[in-house]
Amino acid sequence: NAGVTQTPKFRILKIGQSMTLQCTQDMNHNYMYWYRQDPGMGLKLIYYSVGAGITDKGEVPNGYNVSRSTTEDFPLRLELAAPSQTSVYFCASSQPQLSQYEQYFGPGTRLTVT
Amino acid sequence: KQEVTQIPAALSVPEGENLVLNCSFTDSAIYNLQWFRQDPGKGLTSLLLIQSSQREQTSGRLNASLDKSSGRSTLYIAASQPGDSATYLCAVRFTGGGNKLTFGTGTQLKVEL
Repeated sequence: NAGVTQTPKFRILKIGQSMTLQCTQDMNHNYMYWYRQDPGMGLKLIYYSVGAGITDKGEVPNGYNVSRSTTEDFPLRLELAAPSQTSVYFCASSQPQLSQYEQYFGPGTRLTVT
Repeated sequence: KQEVTQIPAALSVPEGENLVLNCSFTDSAIYNLQWFRQDPGKGLTSLLLIQSSQREQTSGRLNASLDKSSGRSTLYIAASQPGDSATYLCAVRFTGGGNKLTFGTGTQLKVEL
């Protein structure tokens, strides 16, 4: 199993540009999450999904959108990039019935908005 | 407000020392608590998960304890090695908090030769 994979690893955006961060998991997990990590801070939840077709907001959803058309994929969309969205983005997944909500993380996408 | 705090923010110890990392949380109504390791520029690796009904979990040289009533968890690392150098994050799933993990800001550990 590859686990949770994220692309790209790094990206530089100009203010106002848009992009999609990709996340895929091959563990057949129903639950998926997007977090952001700012320097010296803990991770904060942006959006999460409990299954295909179901998404919900986390703590810091403004400026982002998500979709979940398949169990495997959970892309995160930035529509109008702002410097405040400079951060490291982590995708995670979990399967409550098997692992009691233990979350497994991808390697992250480092995004800079200038 | 449900918060997670980790003190100290940074810790430096000589190789071979046993050490304890601390995590405190503001609400005792938790579902579980998870300890992660993060290497520079990398993702998070899950180390241990403790359910609210458990008191401790062990994996190799790592032992995590949980005291819900006092809102505390500790991660004990025995016989530390330079390879243990990393940032250690504590995260809590609060009951009624949905599926969200609330993270502490981490303790950056350096084990010196």
